[in-house]
Amino acid sequence: DTGVSQDPRHKITKRGQNVTFRCDPISEHNRLYWYRQTLGQGPEFLTYFQNEAQLEKSRLLSDRFSAERPKGSFSTLEIQRTEQGDSAMYLCASSELAGGQYFGPGTRLLVL
Amino acid sequence: DQQVKQNSPSLSVQEGRISILNCDYTNSMFDYFLWYKKYPAEGPTFLISISSIKDKNEDGRFTVFLNKSAKHLSLHIVPSQPGDSAVYFCAAHNTNAGKSTFGDGTTLTVKP
Repeated sequence: DTGVSQDPRHKITKRGQNVTFRCDPISEHNRLYWYRQTLGQGPEFLTYFQNEAQLEKSRLLSDRFSAERPKGSFSTLEIQRTEQGDSAMYLCASSELAGGQYFGPGTRLLVL
Repeated sequence: DQQVKQNSPSLSVQEGRISILNCDYTNSMFDYFLWYKKYPAEGPTFLISISSIKDKNEDGRFTVFLNKSAKHLSLHIVPSQPGDSAVYFCAAHNTNAGKSTFGDGTTLTVKP
């Protein structure tokens, strides 16, 4: 296991289209997190899972965003009807129950 | 309302000297603090952490200090090396809520 992986690394889409990102965490990690990062700012929390349960969701996350972790392993983040303001780096991280989070390389989304 | 602040957007230090990166927080519910390092086009990399019940944690050249009464933490890097040049993010974690709140980062440049 070489760490957290994310796919795709880059995504360009037209406004109004749906996009889906995938995250594969470190295999023994129970927790999985999604963050969004824009230029000049730190990662902004979106949601997190403990195993397959989604335990926390940011108020910043509109109804167009949905995340799943169906078997407690990989996770997907879907954005429906994308808007230009959704353009950002989407980061996934995983951790054991206590400890630092290990981040993936991110998916950079550009909405035209 | 930014709960975690890194007031210095950038810091420049000579190789071999000490780098001190600072972070302030406002929420008393944070019980765990972490520092991450980020290179361009990569996700943040976990560096070092400290529990709120401690005031110091050391790992090689990296030491994190926590002053709970002042709601302030700092990361000391000594001696600084050119390879330390990166963006450093401070994060505060609320174990009950299961999420981390990040500062906006400090760009450290270590000059040879």
